[in-house]
Amino acid sequence: AQSVSQHNHHVILSEAASLELGCNYSYGGTVNLFWYVQYPGQHLQLLLKYFSGDPLVKGIKGFEAEFIKSKFSFNLRKPSVQWSDTAEYFCAVNGNSGYALNFGKGTSLLVTP
Amino acid sequence: SAVISQKPSRDICQRGTSLTIQCQVDSQVTMMFWYRQQPGQSLTLIATANQGSEATYESGFVIDKFPISRPNLTFSTLTVSNMSPEDSSIYLCSGGQPNTEAFFGQGTRLTVV
Repeated sequence: AQSVSQHNHHVILSEAASLELGCNYSYGGTVNLFWYVQYPGQHLQLLLKYFSGDPLVKGIKGFEAEFIKSKFSFNLRKPSVQWSDTAEYFCAVNGNSGYALNFGKGTSLLVTP
Repeated sequence: SAVISQKPSRDICQRGTSLTIQCQVDSQVTMMFWYRQQPGQSLTLIATANQGSEATYESGFVIDKFPISRPNLTFSTLTVSNMSPEDSSIYLCSGGQPNTEAFFGQGTRLTVV
């Protein structure tokens, strides 16, 4: 069955700390990969996406993610987090023959001053 | 990009009643989807809203409980029928084109009492 796993459900970091959120997927065939963010009280926004090409993708607000096909992973990173990065982060996948997204359970990130 | 507006943003409803949620996209999109986000959970796909035909429902969701309309390429409705407290959730509309990012509405927070 197709699935998306996010390893960290709750993460607490101090400002300026580095962030890495894990995402693994189980899918047959070619996939498109996404990270979405949901700030408190706001709607889901796209952080970054991978369809093909360079497996290291850069998104908004200094986030990046690396697609490692052999590990079925698409981990999200940021070298130095800010208080404003406090949010819920969702990894999502769809196969290129299907358009609906399959979401991971999400990771709640709290950045403390 | 596409901007997706949902109405209402929140509602409190009596059990046994029905609520219709509207989703308006500011541009034509090929794909529209409805998701549910239960408290503390990730997003679960309810159905794909098909323009001019019956929606395609995911396992565990049925048309009698969640009737969906999509009369054109910019508008869709989801009705939550005969509500019970277990239907309390955030309902999200999503739209986009194949092999591009999906855009999300701000969600409808439903509480059934």
